[in-house]
Amino acid sequence: QVQLQESGPGLVKPSETLSLTCAVSGYSISGGFYWGWIRQSPGKGLEWIGSIYHSGSTYCNPSLRSRVTMSVDTSKNQFSLNVNSVTAAETAVYYCVSSGWHVDSWGQGILVTVSS
Amino acid sequence: QSALTQPASVSGSPGQSITISCTGINSDVGSYKFVSWYQQLPGKAPQLIIYEGNKRPSGVSNRFSGSKSGDTASLTISGLQAEDEADYYCCSYGGGTISYVFGIGTKVSVL
Repeated sequence: QVQLQESGPGLVKPSETLSLTCAVSGYSISGGFYWGWIRQSPGKGLEWIGSIYHSGSTYCNPSLRSRVTMSVDTSKNQFSLNVNSVTAAETAVYYCVSSGWHVDSWGQGILVTVSS
Repeated sequence: QSALTQPASVSGSPGQSITISCTGINSDVGSYKFVSWYQQLPGKAPQLIIYEGNKRPSGVSNRFSGSKSGDTASLTISGLQAEDEADYYCCSYGGGTISYVFGIGTKVSVL
């Protein structure tokens, strides 16, 4: 069973870059899933940010595409997310996920607060 | 990408059945069989309970069932139990390259 664990700063200043990493265990990141990020603002719904394949192909929510960068490190079995120029409205719990036609497994989530 | 439409809340008494609807407005729910449903217990990450419209992952109770008609997908919880109190989200594959569109979420209360 795929297990996912997010890590990164819990506090980011406005206009700076949010950077998160997701460690994958129980499954090889080269095994065939897409690896992605979903966020949930406090008291709000879910928003898909983007996904990456082990080959490096990336797919992003059109509303975020210009500010999102994703990468995969097969040697460490982990993948990463960068969102630049963040605002307070992007304070949210960020989940890393594995997916195909649907989102299959979720990390426990990490709260990232955007504040000065 | 516009969010899929779900009722904000649905409630029922223990033992009853409830149904949550999920309506798309673009080429999502009506165009693909890849509708999934997630249960989010308070303070927890969402968990997959239905995929491809009506399939249950191993370990998910058969009290949860899914269906689809046209642009609307539905999740039915039968034999409602107190442990079913949670937020439920639908999700549709968005088409083209990899993309996902979520519903706004439905809070289920057991009276």
